[in-house]
Amino acid sequence: KAGVTQTPRYLIKTRGQQVTLSCSPISGHRSVSWYQQTPGQGLQFLFEYFSETQRNKGNFPGRFSGRQFSNSRSEMNVSTLELGDSALYLCASSLETRATNEKLFFGSGTQLSVL
Amino acid sequence: AQTVTQSQPEMSVQEAETVTLSCTYDTSESNYYLFWYKQPPSRQMILVIRQEAYKQQNATENRFSVNFQKAAKSFSLKISDSQLGDTAMYFCAFSNYGGYQKVTFGIGTKLQVIP
Repeated sequence: KAGVTQTPRYLIKTRGQQVTLSCSPISGHRSVSWYQQTPGQGLQFLFEYFSETQRNKGNFPGRFSGRQFSNSRSEMNVSTLELGDSALYLCASSLETRATNEKLFFGSGTQLSVL
Repeated sequence: AQTVTQSQPEMSVQEAETVTLSCTYDTSESNYYLFWYKQPPSRQMILVIRQEAYKQQNATENRFSVNFQKAAKSFSLKISDSQLGDTAMYFCAFSNYGGYQKVTFGIGTKLQVIP
């Protein structure tokens, strides 16, 4: 079974641009969540989607948005990029057969650099 | 809001020795989950061990075990018989029961296993 796939692995953008990151969960997993990882802040929760609906959202500005498609694949978008958006963006999926916490399976992330 | 604190930015241990990583958390909830995740240089986060707060028995997974002190809000990870492959960042994490995969992470402890 293929793991969580994130594309691209690396991305370089300039300030003011926008970017879209993609995440394909493990087959059969319906929950997809996104995290931002920086050296000083650790991992910060961005948002979580289940069956195309955003169920939970972290404390990030509206420039950060996401969506989930009917096949559970998810994208996140960051508009008007700032230098501080440089980070590793991690996607995680879970089976979510019940509304309780289940094991998260992470992808290898997209390393975003904003110049 | 929940917080997770890891006070050891870096640690090292000799191969085959035992090391303990510390973690404290703060929450007003009574039902929750605690996790230790490992992030090797490949960047992919891997769940090491999970503890459900209502279970008094400490979780164990092969060479990995936890010391869960609910009253003290402490959740340390003990790695026995350390191996070179244990070299990684270790993140302590917290999730509310029914929290729809919103996980709060600590800033991590970098563990180096020395041959």
